[in-house]
Amino acid sequence: EVQLVESGGGLVQPGGSLRLSCAASGFTFSSYDMHWVRQATGKGLEWVSAIGTAGDTYYPGSVKGRFTISRENAKNSLYLQMNSLRAGDTAVYYCARWSTEAGFDYWGQGTLVTVSS
Amino acid sequence: AIRMTQSPSSFSASTGDRVTITCRASQGISSYLAWYQQKPGKAPKLLIYAASTLQSGVPSRFSGSGSGTDFTLTISCLQSEDFATYYCQQYYSYPWGGTFGQGTKVEIK
Repeated sequence: EVQLVESGGGLVQPGGSLRLSCAASGFTFSSYDMHWVRQATGKGLEWVSAIGTAGDTYYPGSVKGRFTISRENAKNSLYLQMNSLRAGDTAVYYCARWSTEAGFDYWGQGTLVTVSS
Repeated sequence: AIRMTQSPSSFSASTGDRVTITCRASQGISSYLAWYQQKPGKAPKLLIYAASTLQSGVPSRFSGSGSGTDFTLTISCLQSEDFATYYCQQYYSYPWGGTFGQGTKVEIK
């Protein structure tokens, strides 16, 4: 059974940093592109970052230069290092598996990040 | 950037109704479109990909159509478990993760 379990969320002050983790199981982690998607309370879904099987990374302009996605295939783990956090980064952060040509076919349960003083 | 616009933003329907949600892309995206269902407090669930291909395990009352810029998600006979928010997502611009529509909330009438 495919499972994605996020951790590392919490309350952080503006300008602070946080590192999210996503533990994957039930599939060959190294064979899939992985992503982070976030959702502010009562709002829609926003793509945050992606990492390919070769370690190539991608970000939207809203987080580029502040967030860093990484993966550790030996540990079946995905990470998101978030620096210079802003109130607008407050959201539930989901890790998601990308199935080629098919979309995000598995999602974690999400971890809440709150940026507030 | 490609923008995705869903309509309506919300509506009320009854069990047994046939409902249709529309998603429009700001430029052509071929068939690189997925639909997701999200219930309160839960992660999104993939329903349809490649505009019209049903994800494994998804009931056949769900169907998708369209290509280019205009797409639809249809639920042929609404069930109680279908009351949720639905999102479209383009992935024409992959590996950039793609843009989501703003969501359509289907509520009980």
